[in-house]
Amino acid sequence: GAGVSQTPSNKVTEKGKYVELRCDPISGHTALYWYRQSLGQGPEFLIYFQGTGAADDSGLPNDRFFAVRPEGSVSTLKIQRTERGDSAVYLCASSLGVGETQYFGPGTRLLVL
Amino acid sequence: EDKVVQSPLSLVVHEGDTVTLNCSYEVTNFRSLLWYKQEKKAPTFLFMLTSSGIEKKSGRLSSILDKKELFSILNITATQTGDSAVYLCAVSLGNEKLTFGTGTRLTIIP
Repeated sequence: GAGVSQTPSNKVTEKGKYVELRCDPISGHTALYWYRQSLGQGPEFLIYFQGTGAADDSGLPNDRFFAVRPEGSVSTLKIQRTERGDSAVYLCASSLGVGETQYFGPGTRLLVL
Repeated sequence: EDKVVQSPLSLVVHEGDTVTLNCSYEVTNFRSLLWYKQEKKAPTFLFMLTSSGIEKKSGRLSSILDKKELFSILNITATQTGDSAVYLCAVSLGNEKLTFGTGTRLTIIP
């Protein structure tokens, strides 16, 4: 079976632009997580979904960041008015249910110039 | 504040050596500890540990958790060049998110 997939794999944008990052979880996984990883650091939690609803968005750094999962499968992380400090690898993970092992996708490397 | 600390930050050994990677944690509402291997971008799952003193093993890799002393170790025996990666330790808390350490970068010299 396919693992978690993320698109695009790389995204270069200019400061101030809007970007969307997509995550396709493993089929049947109800929980979906977004993390951000800066160079030399471990991933940091952003938000997680149980089904269609955001169960915990406490890791989103500010209101420029937003994520949706309208049908309980694919999720999109949206970043408005990007800043150079948003440059990082954005990782998505999914799990069979809450509390189960999280499996990660390959990430999207975002570079804001 | 929840904290996960890994040591060493980096390690260089020769092929065939045995290595031990350390992970200590200070968190509230501990549920489980996980180890991941990150070679390029995607962390790949290695182990999930929930009970103290029970070793989990997969080939040359093994791991154990000590919930009294709040740490875990990951052992790799007979290392190979393909073991070169960043090894991440993460703790799952009652609120489901993972809190990661900064990782240990392991380099195996042929």
